[in-house]
Formats: sequence, structure tokens, C-alpha cells
Amino acid sequence: DTAVSQTPKYLVTQMGNDKSIKCEQNLGHDTMYWYKQDSKKFLKIMFSYNNKELIINETVPNRFSPKSPDKAHLNLHINSLELGDSAVYFCASSPDFAGTQYFGPGTRLLVL
Amino acid sequence: GDSVTQMEGPVTLSEEAFLTINCTYTATGYPSLFWYVQYPGEGLQLLLKATKADDKGSNKGFEATYRKETTSFHLEKGSVQVSDSAVYFCALSGGGTASKLTFGTGTRLQVTL
Repeated sequence: DTAVSQTPKYLVTQMGNDKSIKCEQNLGHDTMYWYKQDSKKFLKIMFSYNNKELIINETVPNRFSPKSPDKAHLNLHINSLELGDSAVYFCASSPDFAGTQYFGPGTRLLVL
Repeated sequence: GDSVTQMEGPVTLSEEAFLTINCTYTATGYPSLFWYVQYPGEGLQLLLKATKADDKGSNKGFEATYRKETTSFHLEKGSVQVSDSAVYFCALSGGGTASKLTFGTGTRLQVTL
């Protein structure tokens, strides 16, 4: 069974479009995260949610809007996509704030 | 703020060679330290972790010791295999009410026969 899953795995779209990436974890964890990995493999936190509440928002443009319908899901919606949004987006979860984070397989987004 | 510095890659080794990937950190308080590994085309997997000074994390022949005096968490393996070829990330978590992982830039390891 997949612990942290993301859909889609690949996403190719045009500039200006709106797209969503979904994340689900079946580990019973309270905390979920979104990270962005750029073309040089650098990873940076974007958001963190705990029990459906936003905890961390790391100066991400407001075109990015996370939504957590329940504590097992954290989706990422991106409006007006730009070329610079091309990256791999990773979802992660942890049992609590200090716990080990478990990562999903990533969603590779390419904006043309 | 918190930061992690890793040695630049790529690191190219022959099979059965000894591996060291250096990692140093800057953080307030007492962070937890991690090594994650990313195999080609895959997500990140936790390799090992240490939560307090002098702890040694180990897994799959890899090990790293949390050295508070030198603020380091160097990754070592005595004998690498071709299957160890991947990108290795050092990371820290400050804990508390707004925990997040702060990553180093990653070090690509290429092991050849």
C-alpha cells in the first residue's frame, strides 16, 4: 500500500492555465507538507498543515493555494501558471511537528 | 535562520570504495538531523536520522553521527555499491510548533564498477 500518494505524476500545461495536484496519506498522520524541488534539485518548503489548519506559508505567491479537506488530504491549486513554476512538487506527511517526514513520489510539472 | 551546507557533487566512486558526504548545519536550539536519498526518477526516502547530540543514525550500511560541537552530520559508508547511486540530501528539523525540513543542496553520488 502506498503511504503518501500524489496525482498526477506528470503534468504538462500552458502558461496561464490553472491546475491542481492532489496528495493523500494513509498513515494517520496529523501534519502534511508541500515542497518544491527546482531544476537544480534544491528542495524548499512551501506549506505545512496540521489537522487541516495552515501552519507554515513560506512566502509562496498567492497564486498557490493549498486546501486540506481532511487531515488525510492536502491538495495544491495553482492559478495562472508561469514558466518558473516548472518543478517537481513533493507532498509529505509526519505524525506530528517533530516527527519524521514521509514523502510522496512527486509530481513533475512542466509549464510551456 | 536555519541552514544546511553539503559538499558539492557529483561524487564519483568505484564500487567498494569508502564514502563520506560532508554536512554542516546552522540552527537555533536542538534540531533533529536527517539524511534522505533520492533515486533517479523517485521521491525522497528517509535513510537515517538522529535526534540529539552524539546519536548515531544507521541504515543499509550508512551511518552518521550528530556532532553538536562541530555542528556536523557527515554521512559515511564503508563499501559503496552501484545501487547506491543517487542524490543524498542532508536536512534538519527544528521541531516546535512550526516544524519544517530545511534541506541542503543535495550531493549526487555515482558509483561505477
